[in-house]
Amino acid sequence: EIVLTQSPGTLSLSPGDRATLSCRTSQSVGSAYLAWYQHKPGQAPRLLFYGTSNRATGIPDRFSASGSGTDFTLTISRLESEDFAVYYCQRYGSSPLYTFGQGTKLEI
Amino acid sequence: QVQLQESGPGLVKPSGTLSLTCAVSGGSISSANWWSWVRQPPGKGLEWIGQIHQAGNTNYNPSLESRVTVLVDKSNNRLSLRMTSVTAADTAVYYCARHIPVTNTLGFDSWGQGTLVTVSA
Repeated sequence: EIVLTQSPGTLSLSPGDRATLSCRTSQSVGSAYLAWYQHKPGQAPRLLFYGTSNRATGIPDRFSASGSGTDFTLTISRLESEDFAVYYCQRYGSSPLYTFGQGTKLEI
Repeated sequence: QVQLQESGPGLVKPSGTLSLTCAVSGGSISSANWWSWVRQPPGKGLEWIGQIHQAGNTNYNPSLESRVTVLVDKSNNRLSLRMTSVTAADTAVYYCARHIPVTNTLGFDSWGQGTLVTVSA
């Protein structure tokens, strides 16, 4: 089973800071099959990026994502208060078909 | 924009059966090929449960496959999840989600708000 390891577990930053979140997979993942989500308490998860770096509808351009193989990165260039949430990466592949990372909590 | 809404009993007894429905509005089940159920136990991360194609084909997480059934009802534009022999470990917020209607890529682009199911006597 492919394991997704997100780091750091918790990231403490301030509005205006730059945030860099990492997702490492135990086996290589095709770039088409890596996604990122933002999740706030009591809300539905929100798709940020599909296919590694394709910004989903309505996602501000301060969010960017990149990566290949086993190393993927989500970057938020200038944090706004609304960005503080938990972020998950997800991959598609062998059984189970979909796996999520354990999440990175971005806190003020 | 398609909207999803989960519904079902919030409390299920141990060894009982969990049954949830996901109503799709603002669009058709046919708007995407695949639809999934995902859950989040309290204080934990997201776990994929299973998926269904609009034509009815299914795939499940092997860890849950023996207890889970996902169905699609195109005439009523809804999905359903059935999980048998539940235990406290199945206590979670359950989400339904739409797979992005873009070929050969990954992303769940629409999610329900989630419904909390507690397994307790």
